[in-house]
Amino acid sequence: KNQVEQSPQSLIILEGKNCTLQCNYTVSPFSNLRWYKQDTGRGPVSLTIMTFSENTKSNGRYTATLDADTKQSSLHITASQLSDSASYICVVRHIEGYQKVTFGIGTKLQVIP
Amino acid sequence: DAGITQSPRHKVTETGTPVTLRCHQTENHRYMYWYRQDPGHGLRLIHYSYGVKDTDKGEVSDGYSVSRSKTEDFLLTLESATSSQTSVYFCAISPRDSYNEQFFGPGTRLTVL
Repeated sequence: KNQVEQSPQSLIILEGKNCTLQCNYTVSPFSNLRWYKQDTGRGPVSLTIMTFSENTKSNGRYTATLDADTKQSSLHITASQLSDSASYICVVRHIEGYQKVTFGIGTKLQVIP
Repeated sequence: DAGITQSPRHKVTETGTPVTLRCHQTENHRYMYWYRQDPGHGLRLIHYSYGVKDTDKGEVSDGYSVSRSKTEDFLLTLESATSSQTSVYFCAISPRDSYNEQFFGPGTRLTVL
């Protein structure tokens, strides 16, 4: 059973609008939580990373939040652009096992004019 | 793509044939990984390497083998390809640091008929 669940599976928004993507995880304890952006036909690229003690991290128009008590993270995209169309993947790194990470399935975002 | 190349980028092969995918990095990072990405699943780790000739299995290693004879190259071999191995394969690299960010290659789309 995947320990990282993302919602919604897909989302269509108008250019210029904001949106929020959700990530719920059961991995505990964990080392860090990262959001990746994956353009169609390309590999994922890291957007933000947060350790268990951090609540928020921004990268331009992308802001990630983390609530370690409820085991939820969100990625907020402000003033969306057509280039934001991609899949966004939540990834949790376990504490035990240096190489153990669990990837969410991702949210596919489409920004339309 | 952070100095990572994968070859071939696309391959169609027949069931039962051997297939080797190559990952090459110019970053001199210690860790290298092979993942597969399938619809309905998050990225899943096949094998990883923590140094020349040092490799270990991931969660979906059955039917795959790897080799790393040089720091810059990590090979993934399907000894006898099956249709269930049709997938997109991503190589990733990372330095050894506390955040252990993984940098992904462009992917190889493999179709086994």
